[in-house]
Amino acid sequence: RKEVEQDPGPFNVPEGATVAFNCTYSNSASQSFFWYRQDCRKEPKLLMSVYSSGNEDGRFTAQLNRASQYISLLIRDSKLSDSATYLCAVNNGIKAAGNKLTFGGGTRVLVKP
Amino acid sequence: DAMVIQNPRYQVTQFGKPVTLSCSQTLNHNVMYWYQQKSSQAPKLLFHYYDKDFNNEADTPDNFQSRRPNTSFCFLDIRSPGLGDAAMYLCATSRKASRGSYNEQFFGPGTRLTVL
Repeated sequence: RKEVEQDPGPFNVPEGATVAFNCTYSNSASQSFFWYRQDCRKEPKLLMSVYSSGNEDGRFTAQLNRASQYISLLIRDSKLSDSATYLCAVNNGIKAAGNKLTFGGGTRVLVKP
Repeated sequence: DAMVIQNPRYQVTQFGKPVTLSCSQTLNHNVMYWYQQKSSQAPKLLFHYYDKDFNNEADTPDNFQSRRPNTSFCFLDIRSPGLGDAAMYLCATSRKASRGSYNEQFFGPGTRLTVL
């Protein structure tokens, strides 16, 4: 089993619709969780950190379910510009100065008119 | 603007010819990371520096080396590139871990390496 797994998609989403997808992780000691957005042939860009209580940033909502060991990302009112690959990242749970992250393979989202 | 800079953005090398990729940051972050990302795959951590302390991943080939001469700069040296080393190489930085900190990593634009 991979440490961090994502449905690769693609999720084909009509413009204006809502889309949600999950990321499962295997290390129960993981402490910090992130969603990154990556456009084709570009670097990952931090979308949001995922807090234990869940958090929202505009049209984006992230949730953490520690019991089932997954995080989720929900995008409301999808825009064409939301088309991208969404990577989740999970730290390794080891208390160290460097925060080692393991990335999922990404979920591709295509928003269509 | 504070940022992570990588040079060159595109690098073409020949099989077996050493190549060096560079990363610099103006964020004054303690930690710098090097990732390898192949097409449609997750970024894979090669190694990271916490200040001057080097931390290698167990499965990083010996062909890959790194140097961090100061806080701002970090280099990735590929001693004898093979065809399988063609990839995007991403540099990232973060603050050191502390209580309550989520230690987000911020990426540079990457260097796309082609091996002929």
